[in-house]
Amino acid sequence: DTEVTQTPKHLVMGMTNKKSLKCEQHMGHRAMYWYKQKAKKPPELMFVYSYEKLSINESVPSRFSPECPNSSLLNLHLHALQPEDSALYLCASSHGKGGAPAYNEQFFGPGTRLTVL
Amino acid sequence: GEDVEQSLFLSVREGDSSVINCTYTDSSSTYLYWYKQEPGAGLQLLTYIFSNMDMKQDQRLTVLLNKKDKHLSLRIADTQTGDSAIYFCAELSQGQGNLIFGKGTKLSVKP
Repeated sequence: DTEVTQTPKHLVMGMTNKKSLKCEQHMGHRAMYWYKQKAKKPPELMFVYSYEKLSINESVPSRFSPECPNSSLLNLHLHALQPEDSALYLCASSHGKGGAPAYNEQFFGPGTRLTVL
Repeated sequence: GEDVEQSLFLSVREGDSSVINCTYTDSSSTYLYWYKQEPGAGLQLLTYIFSNMDMKQDQRLTVLLNKKDKHLSLRIADTQTGDSAIYFCAELSQGQGNLIFGKGTKLSVKP
């Protein structure tokens, strides 16, 4: 199984809603990532988990709250989002961070298209 | 700081070769990558090159690296309509282990 799955595929939410994005991989990877991608822009790193511990938080607002309940799952909890948070949210995983591509190659999920009204 | 630049658009005819260019700034980058993103989809790793290599060939793909000029290119031979996508070059941030992406080049292939 070389797939990263993300649910839901699409999400529309109001600014007062609370929702969660989910990401799952069964490749035994120990590093997992959340990226945000606005239209016609490259992905921007939000969070990195390494061995289920948050290792990088790229100054993301607290209305985004990541969680890594186990080595296969990565969640992104959303609360009080703004319309400018509308974007494609991509999850990725790799064996580890840094080192050779065989180790750090990131496998991306298809993304969740989020629209905040 | 780390920064990766790419031209935004490229249009070619089916059967021609496509060359997508990229410049990066972090001279300590050890690996450089090319990713492909089709509309509405995630990113797919196409190929990568180690910084001590000048060239890497993988079927229709050829990667050239000029480390002195910090210039990377991806050549796609015999471009097909299925190659139409956005192509991102990326460097690995040695400090944090994450990828720094360029802005992406949208490749359009005309029949």
